[in-house]
Amino acid sequence: NAGVMQNPRHLVRRRGQEARLRCSPMKGHSHVYWYRQLPEEGLKFMVYLQKENIIDESGMPKERFSAEFPKEGPSILRIQQVVRGDSAAYFCASSTKAGSTTDTQYFGPGTRLTVL
Amino acid sequence: QQQVKQSPQSLIVQKGGISIINCAYENTAFDYFPWYQQFPGKGPALLIAIRPDVSEKKEGRFTISFNKSAKQFSLHIMDSQPGDSATYFCAANAYSGAGSYQLTFGKGTKLSVIP
Repeated sequence: NAGVMQNPRHLVRRRGQEARLRCSPMKGHSHVYWYRQLPEEGLKFMVYLQKENIIDESGMPKERFSAEFPKEGPSILRIQQVVRGDSAAYFCASSTKAGSTTDTQYFGPGTRLTVL
Repeated sequence: QQQVKQSPQSLIVQKGGISIINCAYENTAFDYFPWYQQFPGKGPALLIAIRPDVSEKKEGRFTISFNKSAKQFSLHIMDSQPGDSATYFCAANAYSGAGSYQLTFGKGTKLSVIP
């Protein structure tokens, strides 16, 4: 009964490189959310996806960041040309549905991205 | 602009004592208020949640008190234990208007329960 899985758990990149973060939702979940947590801050919503669709990307930076959730395989958060300010913990959450305010989001362990 | 304000930033409580964490919000569109517990190196886990039509909800040692008119809510941990030492986040949920419900988190409270 695996929970939300994220990999890698830790990722180090140099400025200008690309970072790819992967998220496998809980079994039976088809809704995925990505959040970013800066040091000493709460989590901030980035994007909400369903299979093959980006539903709400209102929290995503306009440039360098993209997300996908293909029909097969994990959801991917991609950060191009990383900068030091991208250093943060990135969390993925999944839910069975997203049609109600009380739908529980289950969080993964996060990927800690460090940009040198 | 911080939509959910959480205090205190850190809290030290003796074993057996009561831990109290407070949150305040401005956006009246928020309609669901969960609390999350996060241990170091782990993701947040849902602890307890409340809807604004209820003034209090209790689950075991954890209680949420909700004051709709003041736009404030708080988490009380009774008989605090060292195993409760973690970071606690309050959150508020609202429809974003862009196709999803979005959780807005407070900045977190680091709780340390000392023996």
